Amino acid sequence: NAGVTQTPKFRILKIGQSMTLQCTQDMNHNYMYWYRQDPGMGLKLIYYSVGAGITDKGEVPNGYNVSRSTTEDFPLRLELAAPSQTSVYFCASSYQSSTDTQYFGPGTRLTVL
Amino acid sequence: QKEVEQNSGPLSVPEGAIASLNCTYSDRGSQSFFWYRQYSGKSPELIMFIYSNGDKEDGRFTAQLNKASQYVSLLIRDSQPSDSATYLCAVNIGGGSEKLVFGKGTKLTVNP
Repeated sequence: NAGVTQTPKFRILKIGQSMTLQCTQDMNHNYMYWYRQDPGMGLKLIYYSVGAGITDKGEVPNGYNVSRSTTEDFPLRLELAAPSQTSVYFCASSYQSSTDTQYFGPGTRLTVL
Repeated sequence: QKEVEQNSGPLSVPEGAIASLNCTYSDRGSQSFFWYRQYSGKSPELIMFIYSNGDKEDGRFTAQLNKASQYVSLLIRDSQPSDSATYLCAVNIGGGSEKLVFGKGTKLTVNP
């Protein structure tokens, strides 16, 4: 049981490039989340999903897109990367609601230069 | 804007002491409250949750909730160097929202 896995662990992008951060969970959780964490800051919710085919915006969705075609996968797409998107990105999942325990992946450290 | 406020610290306590971490929140409709621990360079992990006013104890950890004052705290008794981490307070936004709002975290250092 791997839990929540994220790839890649590290990535450097140039301004204007695009990329997809991958997230997979093997716990059959319905809810999945993408957060970003800037240095010395808490977690900010980017997007979340309550099930396959259903996604919604969080606090800071601008510059990002998501899709949820399966229960297991919740990729985050960055279009036209900007330096302001330099951050650590965490994917998380929970069983049936945000008040269930959220299990976090190991994170992706992204730098945009 | 729903907010969760924490003292950023750092909070430094000697080994064996009680560490007290505090959190206030702005949404009176919030019903669920969580404490996550995050070691440096690692992902957050849940250590406590509390839904009702009063105290909830789990081993060396006690969560305290006062909804009237919109205040939640975490006490760590007999603090150990392994407790050194950043502690994140998270609050479920009231009204059935499926979102947690996290505070910025309090960095705790336990000195041997």
